[in-house]
Amino acid sequence: EAGVVQSPRYKIIEKKQPVAFWCNPISGHNTLYWYLQNLGQGPELLIRYENEEAVDDSQLPKDRFSAERLKGVDSTLKIQPAELGDSAVYLCASSREGGNGYTFGSGTRLTVV
Amino acid sequence: KQEVTQIPAALSVPEGENLVLNCSFTDSAIYNLQWFRQDPGKGLTSLLLIQSSQREQTSGRLNASLDKSSGRSTLYIAASQPGDSATYLCAVRHNTDKLIFGTGTRLQVFP
Repeated sequence: EAGVVQSPRYKIIEKKQPVAFWCNPISGHNTLYWYLQNLGQGPELLIRYENEEAVDDSQLPKDRFSAERLKGVDSTLKIQPAELGDSAVYLCASSREGGNGYTFGSGTRLTVV
Repeated sequence: KQEVTQIPAALSVPEGENLVLNCSFTDSAIYNLQWFRQDPGKGLTSLLLIQSSQREQTSGRLNASLDKSSGRSTLYIAASQPGDSATYLCAVRHNTDKLIFGTGTRLQVFP
């Protein structure tokens, strides 16, 4: 089966510009996650979706970050406006409902200059 | 609040050595624990998943153990190879379905 697909792989933008990341989970995986990974750190959850519903967005900085998962399949994560501190890797993962294992995508490495 | 710690932070060894990577967590009420591998610039690859009721899992040269009561897990790598060089992350999951990661162990195996 195809894995979790993310795009773009790399993105360089100037501060205050908007940016969006896209994720296509594994077919049949109801749960989708966005994680943020700073350099030298482990990933931290930003938001979790069960189908199209965001069930945990407590760590998403809602003043500048937004996410959506229309139709409960693909998801986009947006930052507007981006700040220098947003430079990091943004990882998407998916799992089956009630499943145990996660599958991660390759991530999008964002650099804000 | 759950905290996950990994020791050592970095490790450099000659190939052929047997290795032990350590992971500790503060809240023992976990659902499962998972070990991941991350190559530079890449995403995470799941290596082993241990349910809270299990003591260990094995896959090839990898063996992971779990002692939930003491809040510890170890990843044992037998006969290390240069291709094992990567960052190894452990993550615990509670019934909230959220993974909490450690900061990882950067492993370098040289020929």
